[in-house]
Amino acid sequence: EPEVTQTPSHQVTQMGQEVILRCVPISNHLYFYWYRQILGQKVEFLVSFYNNEISEKSEIFDDQFSVERPDGSNFTLKIRSTKLEDSAMYFCASKGTGSKQETQYFGPGTRLLVL
Amino acid sequence: AQKVTQAQTEISVVEKEDVTLDCVYETRDTTYYLFWYKQPPSGELVFLIRRNSFDEQNEISGRYSWNFQKSTSSFNFTITASQVVDSAVYFCALSGYSNQFYFGTGTSLTVIP
Repeated sequence: EPEVTQTPSHQVTQMGQEVILRCVPISNHLYFYWYRQILGQKVEFLVSFYNNEISEKSEIFDDQFSVERPDGSNFTLKIRSTKLEDSAMYFCASKGTGSKQETQYFGPGTRLLVL
Repeated sequence: AQKVTQAQTEISVVEKEDVTLDCVYETRDTTYYLFWYKQPPSGELVFLIRRNSFDEQNEISGRYSWNFQKSTSSFNFTITASQVVDSAVYFCALSGYSNQFYFGTGTSLTVIP
C-alpha cells in the first residue's frame, strides 16, 4: 500500500540554524501539507500546497518557513533560522484528487529538536 | 470558525472493557468531513475513519464503531472489548471548505492488561 515517507525521522539542530525536512508524498496525489505537533499538544496546520504554489497557510507559517517541490516526488519544508519553540514533530500529508472527500494521509513525522 | 473539542484528555480502562471517546465540533460550513486518527507511541498518525456531513449513518468496523450525530455536533468513537494494542492518543479532526484539517487536542487512551 502506498504511503507518505519522511526524512529524517529525528533531527537535532542548534538555534539559528537552517533545517530542511523532506517528504515523499503518495505518488499520484496532488495536494500536500505540513502540520506541526508540539510535544503533548494537538496537531496544527502549517501550510497546504497545490499546483506548485501555496494554497493556504496558517499564522504559524511566517517568513521563517518555506515549502518547495523541487522535483516530481519530494516536498520539503525549510525553516531558515530555527528557534527553540520550533521543536516539534512535523508531519507531512498528501491527498489525492483534491475532492473534499479525500482523506489526508500522514507520514510518520520528523521529530525536530532545537537546542 | 472551525473547532474540535475532545474534552477527555486521558482515559484508562481495563482490557476487554468498552470505551467511548468523545468529539464535539463547531463549523459554519454546510459541507464538512470528520475524521479519527490514532497516534500510537511510535508517533505516526494512522487514519481510522472519515464521515461526511450528509451521512449520519453510524459505522462499525470490527471492534470500532462511530456515532455521528449532527443535532449535537458530535462524532464519538467506541472501542469494544479494548485491547492493550489500542493504547494510543486518538485525534478527532474536521475539514470543511478549507483544505486544512482542524484537530482536537486528543484523548490519550491506556488499556491496562
